[in-house]
Amino acid sequence: AQSVTQLGSHVSVSEGALVLLRCNYSSSVPPYLFWYVQYPNQGLQLLLKYTTGATLVKGINGFEAEFKKSETSFHLTKPSAHMSDAAEYFCAVSDPGANSKLTFGKGITLSVRP
Amino acid sequence: NAGVTQTPKFRILKIGQSMTLQCTQDMNHNYMYWYRQDPGMGLKLIYYSVGAGITDKGEVPNGYNVSRSTTEDFPLRLELAAPSQTSVYFCASSNLGQGVGGKAFFGQGTRLTVV
Repeated sequence: AQSVTQLGSHVSVSEGALVLLRCNYSSSVPPYLFWYVQYPNQGLQLLLKYTTGATLVKGINGFEAEFKKSETSFHLTKPSAHMSDAAEYFCAVSDPGANSKLTFGKGITLSVRP
Repeated sequence: NAGVTQTPKFRILKIGQSMTLQCTQDMNHNYMYWYRQDPGMGLKLIYYSVGAGITDKGEVPNGYNVSRSTTEDFPLRLELAAPSQTSVYFCASSNLGQGVGGKAFFGQGTRLTVV
């Protein structure tokens, strides 16, 4: 069974600073990996995903993540934080297979200071 | 673009009452999911469906039931509400299975309090 670890529950950065949100996974097979974002009082929306191919994945709103198999990691980054990036971010993993389901991490709340 | 619509947005139930959380999607997606979100716990899968007439249990199904009579609708039923079911509930749908990289579209959630 797969699992996801997102260390810490809250990250605070200054506007314009680098955003780094960490995600480590455990899976018995090469996984599919996802980052979802949840803005206040809204549902989740997909930021980016890795399935196969290029290990550096670009998503919406300037975010990107790199799949590192040797480190079992899929950290999310953005070079310059914007106030509108304040939200909760969830890493999720799925084993390949048509009826596999997502396993979500506990989420990290990102705050952006002016 | 409606996407995934959940009703109601908020509800307070008394212990032992029953209710149905409604979920409908207009994207003709085969896959639909119900999650609950508790603070600091991420999302836990309650039930899912891979098509009309087919449902299966997720990680935390106890106390809930679902049905899927049409592609569009996937209601979640709470038969005897308990305080442990106080949570935010999200319905989601996807065109492909998540195990083949399907993108899930989420509703805005139903905040349920059981007192």
